[in-house]
Amino acid sequence: SQQGEEDPQALSIQEGENATMNCSYKTSINNLQWYRQNSGRGLVHLILIRSNEREKHSGRLRVTLDTSKKSSSLLITASRAADTASYFCATDGGTRSNTGKLIFGQGTTLQVKP
Amino acid sequence: AAGVIQSPRHLIKEKRETATLKCYPIPRHDTVYWYQQGPGQDPQFLISFYEKMQSDKGSIPDRFSAQQFSDYHSELNMSSLELGDSALYFCASSLFGGGSSTDTQYFGPGTRLTVL
Repeated sequence: SQQGEEDPQALSIQEGENATMNCSYKTSINNLQWYRQNSGRGLVHLILIRSNEREKHSGRLRVTLDTSKKSSSLLITASRAADTASYFCATDGGTRSNTGKLIFGQGTTLQVKP
Repeated sequence: AAGVIQSPRHLIKEKRETATLKCYPIPRHDTVYWYQQGPGQDPQFLISFYEKMQSDKGSIPDRFSAQQFSDYHSELNMSSLELGDSALYFCASSLFGGGSSTDTQYFGPGTRLTVL
């Protein structure tokens, strides 16, 4: 991957449990985003966190960012079977001439069992 | 709300043929990005356009070219197709904010290209 690693690569949990996915990146960033992808389909934007933010919430999602460790985590609370998907983190590379391109991590495949 | 439209959704081509993928961004979005996602892989950035000018270029083969038209739609042209070009091709659009929160990219459903 251009970006780094996502940890774990695959995660299987029971409905109602929490799911935590981690992402590491290599470059400096302006912001980091998390996307969700159902099998073979389009990417859906979940949440964006800026480099000067440490934590952000959106519904059942909680994202943290540690720029000193170049890492981020996505927590999905009270998971549902419908959360089954692949989750990718993506950064902008943090270049001065930021063109907005996204650099994706390898993704975590989450399976939520009913 | 209007989303990013990509056509065709599925495309089957033979080796050495050409293919053209089309992308229609969300209205008023001025930036278009193209990504390629191989089987089991993460999406890889190919190329982007801002206000009809190429703004960035990633790992796009020389056999591929793209442009953004006056109505902001974009086309990815692929020639001399190879088996390894089989992938999902995504287009995304955004309202360029130079690193601000408006940089959220909205992805289309993708075009699945199969090269036989």
